[in-house]
Amino acid sequence: GENVEQHPSTLSVQEGDSAVIKCTYSDSASNYFPWYKQELGKGPQLIIDIRSNVGEKKDQRIAVTLNKTAKHFSLHITETQPEDSAVYFCAPYHYNQGGKLIFGQGTELSVKP
Amino acid sequence: DTGVSQDPRHKITKRGQNVTFRCDPISEHNRLYWYRQTLGQGPEFLTYFQNEAQLEKSRLLSDRFSAERPKGSFSTLEIQRTEQGDSAMYLCASSKDGGPDTGELFFGEGSRLTVL
Repeated sequence: GENVEQHPSTLSVQEGDSAVIKCTYSDSASNYFPWYKQELGKGPQLIIDIRSNVGEKKDQRIAVTLNKTAKHFSLHITETQPEDSAVYFCAPYHYNQGGKLIFGQGTELSVKP
Repeated sequence: DTGVSQDPRHKITKRGQNVTFRCDPISEHNRLYWYRQTLGQGPEFLTYFQNEAQLEKSRLLSDRFSAERPKGSFSTLEIQRTEQGDSAMYLCASSKDGGPDTGELFFGEGSRLTVL
């Protein structure tokens, strides 16, 4: 099965700085790469995703980059704001996993005003 | 569209008691998932339904756990003879047809279980 690791496990930045979270996976067949954000007391929410035929995708202040050869993908947040403080999870996927996403252990991002 | 609804939000029970959680998915979402999340960890898959059919169960789902989705709408997750190790947040999610790569999973806010 898929082994997923996220680094770092915690990240603290000053407001306005950039943050980068890396997700390493083991299944070379994975072809869908989402990032979920979980705010305190809430369920995870999809914030951005990328497919294996694309190397980078941007949505305003967030972006995801994919390196299929090295089997990792990263979440980039620019101009961080206090509301970006949350736990972020990656969940690389291939249909051979059936219907389930396998989540990483999470990265807790803290943005200090 | 009111989102995924879970009930109760919090449950405190004594070891050995049975508990049941309910999930109401987004209407017209055919897929429904149950996940378990402990502090500092990512959600762990438990089971999922396509309409009323339970298509996959994790090895985490011991015989004390049972999930149903009798009419393909709401779902229940029952834990019998609860143990302290069952203390966790139980998350429900729903999506349209197809795997997670064809439709976003929408999560509820979870049901937090504390077993004393």
